[in-house]
Amino acid sequence: QKEVEQNSGPLSVPEGAIASLNCTYSDRVSQSFFWYRQYSGKSPELIMSIYSNGDKEDGRFTAQLNKASQYVSLLIRDSQPSDSATYLCAVNNDYKLSFGAGTTVTVRA
Amino acid sequence: NAGVTQTPKFRILKIGQSMTLQCTQDMNHNYMYWYRQDPGMGLKLIYYSVGAGITDKGEVPNGYNVSRSTTEDFPLRLELAAPSQTSVYFCASSSIEGGYTFGSGTRLTVV
Repeated sequence: QKEVEQNSGPLSVPEGAIASLNCTYSDRVSQSFFWYRQYSGKSPELIMSIYSNGDKEDGRFTAQLNKASQYVSLLIRDSQPSDSATYLCAVNNDYKLSFGAGTTVTVRA
Repeated sequence: NAGVTQTPKFRILKIGQSMTLQCTQDMNHNYMYWYRQDPGMGLKLIYYSVGAGITDKGEVPNGYNVSRSTTEDFPLRLELAAPSQTSVYFCASSSIEGGYTFGSGTRLTVV
């Protein structure tokens, strides 16, 4: 499987702030990219997918993709305590997802 | 819809024992996967299947085996359990678009 690297955490942000998560990948031919949220002791849950260069917004979440730089990011605006979780970046190669190790986000009140 | 159902949720095995982790999906997805997740290590692919009768190895297949006799079921077999197989196991399925739906996981301890 190909490598997926995420910025090491944990990331602590105050409530209402923006949390910024970064991910780089090694396989240039990758075409689809995903962000999953995983609460402690639970299974990963898909929150964003992105396939084209640029930004994609869904509520308080914005995913950004730059294929030339092999870089994907996730912004969480107006962070809430319920956003406290581990966020996994995933890259699709031949219908298999390669996952990063995850970045743990803690939103402090 | 149940989505992806995994059983059991928890299991303790003794070294050398065998067991099967069950996984069933009701979304008519062709693609199914088994991952293991160790603390701080992310998800590692064990085996995957692109359709009934077709399986292939992932990144960490040693000590495991799978079968895919139907579209719905994708059981994972552990033979001769070892402490290194202590982990959380996730089954997932996907359509061709690639976003996975995960099961709730099986927490396995080998002692």
